[in-house]
Amino acid sequence: NAGVMQNPRHLVRRRGQEARLRCSPMKGHSHVYWYRQLPEEGLKFMVYLQKENIIDESGMPKERFSAEFPKEGPSILRIQQVVRGDSAAYFCASSDTGVEQYFGPGTRLTVT
Amino acid sequence: GEDVEQSLFLSVREGDSSVINCTYTDSSSTYLYWYKQEPGAGLQLLTYIFSNMDMKQDQRLTVLLNKKDKHLSLRIADTQTGDSAIYFCAESNDRRSQGNLIFGKGTKLSVKP
Repeated sequence: NAGVMQNPRHLVRRRGQEARLRCSPMKGHSHVYWYRQLPEEGLKFMVYLQKENIIDESGMPKERFSAEFPKEGPSILRIQQVVRGDSAAYFCASSDTGVEQYFGPGTRLTVT
Repeated sequence: GEDVEQSLFLSVREGDSSVINCTYTDSSSTYLYWYKQEPGAGLQLLTYIFSNMDMKQDQRLTVLLNKKDKHLSLRIADTQTGDSAIYFCAESNDRRSQGNLIFGKGTKLSVKP
């Protein structure tokens, strides 16, 4: 059973470009979560999705960030018009019950 | 607001026990978690405890929860060099959505041979 998969592992974008981060949950998991980790910090919750629904987006910045988890395919975290402050590691986690969350390896975004 | 705090560093000798401590502020916490992060990697779920329990043991790992003092600890017996990593404490509660975890900043464990 493959774990949570994220791609790309590393992403470099220039200021003003768009970043698209993908997450494939573990087989059988319908809950997906996105977190952001800034250097020397813990993880900060961003958004919680189930298939085709956003359940909780209380941690998402109000502008430029969006997330989706379509009926088919991976979950996508999209950051429009990236700025230097968006540079961070973005982690996706998945769960079947909502209690145990299993994390992917992360996407490290660098904005130049 | 809700907060989870941990000391930033811990250094032990190989073969000793390590104890990593965590305090949290929210008395409504339901589950408390310990995750391990190795350099450049994602977080690995080590163990978790439901808030109505006070202890959980899993092989070399022992979790102690003092709900009155809002204090959680992770004891690693017979610590090995492979245990060197950052350990994160996290909590969930019913007032936030399921899975909206609040994490501490992590404790970096260094194991000296």
